[in-house]
Amino acid sequence: QVQLQESGPGLVKPSQTLSLTCTVSGDSMTSGGHYWSWIRQGPGKGLEWIGYIHHRGSTYYNPSLKSRGLISLDTSKNQFSLKLTSVTAADTAVYFCARDPNGGAYDHWGQGTLVTVSS
Amino acid sequence: QSALTQPASVSGSPGQSITISCTGTNSDVGTYDLISWFQQHPGKAPKLILYEVKRWPSGVSNRFSGSKSGNTASLTISGLQAEDEADYYCSSYAGSTYVVFGGGTKLTVL
Repeated sequence: QVQLQESGPGLVKPSQTLSLTCTVSGDSMTSGGHYWSWIRQGPGKGLEWIGYIHHRGSTYYNPSLKSRGLISLDTSKNQFSLKLTSVTAADTAVYFCARDPNGGAYDHWGQGTLVTVSS
Repeated sequence: QSALTQPASVSGSPGQSITISCTGTNSDVGTYDLISWFQQHPGKAPKLILYEVKRWPSGVSNRFSGSKSGNTASLTISGLQAEDEADYYCSSYAGSTYVVFGGGTKLTVL
């Protein structure tokens, strides 16, 4: 079955870059037309869409990130990654990667990884 | 402040039915039928329970049902069970901002 797994540092200093990777198994990222997405959830808060990368490489980001986000694809490893620059405490959250067949119907999720922004 | 408005909490007794509303605008819920609902238990990832307003993913109980009228979508859970106690989130396709979520509703089974 399809599984996603996030990995990356759990602690990032303010003003630095947050980097996470999502490893996908059970599905080839280069087929199927899915949108591979990052979503986050602040402490005690709701869900926030960060952005996606399509299997053909096109990307789209939440405008609220103000161009701080970058999502890339490594098809050889069946992974996609998130970089978020100039982080602040407001970026502290559980970060999820998810598969989206279309329009936000996220049908498979990673377990989530907590990233804390603190000096 | 979330783009879609949900009640902060709802409650019901086992066997009863409850409905959670999700109110958006003409830019999202009112225009697109790409409405999804997610169930999230504490410390877990969200789980898709409905998509395209009322479609069930494989393996999801038909006790969950969805509808939409104007700018408001609704999730109804019938025959409440203890394991339904969780947070529920709606989402909608929103064109240029792609996907927006509701703030979440905490369901308590009394």
